[in-house]
Amino acid sequence: DSGVTQTPKHLITATGQRVTLRCSPRSGDLSVYWYQQSLDQGLQFLIQYYNGEERAKGNILERFSAQQFPDLHSELNLSSLELGDSALYFCASSVTHRGREDTQYFGPGTRLTVL
Amino acid sequence: GESVGLHLPTLSVQEGDNSIINCAYSNSASDYFIWYKQESGKGPQFIIDIRSNMDKRQGQRVTVLLNKTVKHLSLQIAATQPGDSAVYFCAERGIQGAQKLVFGQGTRLTINP
Repeated sequence: DSGVTQTPKHLITATGQRVTLRCSPRSGDLSVYWYQQSLDQGLQFLIQYYNGEERAKGNILERFSAQQFPDLHSELNLSSLELGDSALYFCASSVTHRGREDTQYFGPGTRLTVL
Repeated sequence: GESVGLHLPTLSVQEGDNSIINCAYSNSASDYFIWYKQESGKGPQFIIDIRSNMDKRQGQRVTVLLNKTVKHLSLQIAATQPGDSAVYFCAERGIQGAQKLVFGQGTRLTINP
C-alpha cells in the first residue's frame, strides 16, 4: 500500500458525459501528479500540482482539467468524454517538487470505461 | 524528443534464475531514473532508482545498472520468485523541467515454476 488513495476504483459512463476522479496523496506529500495509462499509449503524464498550484502540464487534453485543494487532495475532471478516453488514471504523490530524488508513489488507479 | 523504450516486451524465466530487464532512453539530459513494478490491477510500485552520477545501485535482490554512454538502463532481479511476475517499467525524469516521469512501454516478466 503506497498511501495514495484514489476513488472511485471503477467508473463506467457514456460518451459526452463528465466525470471527476479523486486522489488523496500520502500524508505529508505536497505534489500530486496525474497519469493516464492506455493500451496503445502506455503511461502518460497529464499534469502536476504542488501545494495547490499547477506546476507542469503534459499531454493533457483541453477537455480535461485538474485542481488541488487546500487539504492537498486533487481532482481530475474529464468532460465531453469520448470512447478513446477509456483508460486507467493514476495519481501519484511526492514530498516536494524540487527534490532530485523525489520519488513518486502511485495510487491504485481509477479504471474509466466510456461506452 | 523524450522517449523511453524497452528492448523486449516479454520475458519468461525459470523460478530461481536471475532476470535482466533492459531499457533504452533517448534524453541524454535526464538525471534520474526509476524502475517500477506493476502487478495486475494495481498501480506502479517503486522498486529502485538511480541518479545519473552513478552507474550501479543495489537493493534487496535488485540491481540497477546505468550506462550513459549508450543511454541504457537495466534491472537485474536475483533468484526470481513467483511474486516477481509483473510488468516492469523504466522511467526517466528530465533535468530541465518538472518532475514528470517519462515511462517506457513496459516488459512483462513471467516466472515459470
